[in-house]
Parts: sequence; C-alpha cells; structure tokens
Amino acid sequence: NAGVTQTPKFRVLKTGQSMTLLCAQDMNHEYMYWYRQDPGMGLRLIHYSVGEGTTAKGEVPDGYNVSRLKKQNFLLGLESAAPSQTSVYFCASSGLKGGRLNEQFFGPGTRLTVL
Amino acid sequence: AQSVAQPEDQVNVAEGNPLTVKCTYSVSGNPYLFWYVQYPNRGLQFLLKYITGDNLVKGSYGFEAEFNKSQTSFHLKKPSALVSDSALYFCAVNYGGSQGNLIFGKGTKLSVKP
Repeated sequence: NAGVTQTPKFRVLKTGQSMTLLCAQDMNHEYMYWYRQDPGMGLRLIHYSVGEGTTAKGEVPDGYNVSRLKKQNFLLGLESAAPSQTSVYFCASSGLKGGRLNEQFFGPGTRLTVL
Repeated sequence: AQSVAQPEDQVNVAEGNPLTVKCTYSVSGNPYLFWYVQYPNRGLQFLLKYITGDNLVKGSYGFEAEFNKSQTSFHLKKPSALVSDSALYFCAVNYGGSQGNLIFGKGTKLSVKP
C-alpha cells in the first residue's frame, strides 16, 4: 500500500496564479483532511471531508477550495495564490476501527512558494 | 475554546537519558489525545494515542505517554533517548467528535546529543 500520496512535491507560483494539489489514499478511509504547516504554528486545518461528495471548512479555509469527487481523492485548490499561502501543505486520512475514529495518516507534504 | 499547549519549543537530552516532552490540553468532554513525530522534510508519523482505558499508553519506537485528567496533561516519555529520536514532536487533541478534527500544538523540537 502506498498510504497517502501528494502531488506535486514542490511548486512555485506567482501571485494571482491558480493551482490544484492532489491527495490520494488507498486505505479506503472515509475521512480526509488538508492542513498547512507554518513555522512555530503547528498544523492548521484548512478543509476536511467526512465522505465522498462532502466537504467542510476547518480553521483557516479562506482562499482555498476543495473537492472530494472520489472517495480516494481529495483536491485542494488555490484560485488566486497570495504570498501568505506560502507554506507546506499536508493531506491526511483516517477511518473508523471498531466504531471508533482511528489515527490520521499523513502524506509527505507539498512545499508551495508564492512569489 | 479547545486548545493544546506544548510549553517547550526545544528539549535537549543526552543519549541514554530519559526524555519528556510536555503537552497540556483544554477541551470539553472526554478528549482523544495523540502524539505525532515529524522528521525533516517528511510528513507526520503517528506515535501513540489515548482514547480511554489505562492512563499509560505505549506506542512506537519505545515511546509512552501518560494521560493525567486532573492536570489535563499528556506528556510523552521515553526511558532512554536515542540520537535517532531527534525530530519535531506534535501533540494533538480531537475536538470534532466523529469528524476527527485535530488541534495540534505548535511542536517541540527534540535534540538528542551523543
């Protein structure tokens, strides 16, 4: 199993450009999450999904959109990139085990720089 | 408001000595608590979790954590540190109920010197 994979690994954008980050998981997990990691701030939740076709806002959703058209994929979009969105983005997924929520599994991250 | 605090930005330990990385939390209801480790340029890896049951939880790589409800703490411990334990450690608490949304602490950098 590949676990959680993210594409691309690195990207440099100019202000105002758009892009989509792809997350894929092969563990049949219901829940998927997008985080951003900034120095000294830990991880902050951008958006999440509790199942195919559903999405919800997290702590810092502004400037981002997401879609979960297939259970195994969770896309994060930046419509008009801003320098404040320079960050490392992590995708994670989790599932239920014995009726209880299991731990989250993380992808390797995407390092995004917006000039 | 739900929150997680890791009071130390960095912890320095000599190899072979015991280590403790501190975490305190503030959450309504019964918390689910987690520890994750992040090595340079990598994603987070799960170490251990507390949901219910024994207050002492054992996890990967010889780590353990003690849940203390009265002190609202969930400190990470290891009896004998290794140089390879050097990494960034995150404490997290579940606040979203069934959605499993986590609040992360800001992270503690652990440095183990030979």
